Amino acid sequence: DGGITQSPKYLFRKEGQNVTLSCEQNLNHDAMYWYRQDPGQGLRLIYYSQIVNDFQKGDIAEGYSVSREKKESFPLTVTSAQKNPTAFYLCASRTPVSGNTIYFGEGSWLTVV
Amino acid sequence: AQTVTQSQPEMSVQEAETVTLSCTYDTSESDYYLFWYKQPPSRQMILVIRQEAYKQQNATENRFSVNFQKAAKSFSLKISDSQLGDAAMYFCAYRRGANNNDMRFGAGTRLTVKP
Repeated sequence: DGGITQSPKYLFRKEGQNVTLSCEQNLNHDAMYWYRQDPGQGLRLIYYSQIVNDFQKGDIAEGYSVSREKKESFPLTVTSAQKNPTAFYLCASRTPVSGNTIYFGEGSWLTVV
Repeated sequence: AQTVTQSQPEMSVQEAETVTLSCTYDTSESDYYLFWYKQPPSRQMILVIRQEAYKQQNATENRFSVNFQKAAKSFSLKISDSQLGDAAMYFCAYRRGANNNDMRFGAGTRLTVKP
């Protein structure tokens, strides 16, 4: 089935640790995104990538890093510099046609312990 | 900067009835897209409906329709014949242009459907 797969679904991070959230898509989409969602709030853009080996910061990129070595993959690393990382993280990709709609993965919960 | 405002943090509707969720946005652009996404308890964001600003006709998808008032910068979602499965958070979103990567989301409206 075509879609966007995020893993793990739940992740716990200790203070000072870096953790990486995986995002894989088999939709052949060029553009991919990472959003953060805090309770009671909408989504905020962390990073996006238009094509392989290129990515741009969104509104809240501090404390996060990404890579885009393959079209299908756009992993997000939450570094120890991110002081408040507990949140729900959503990966998305965008169709090049049909209104350029953004489609989302199922999300990953990150909790600091 | 473009902003999206959903003024109703919570709404409720009786099963089989109709409910309208409000959304306003602020932009000086003429080319943009508007979206409604549904987020059920599973937390996955699901596209409900999309509207291109250049189209005068309101978008419709089965029981879901929008009232797009471009001059008023209003984009409300109407859900007809509400079902229990419609219970979710609903987010209004705005994106400038066809290839722009900056999509702005409202804070969401939590819809409860009463049996």
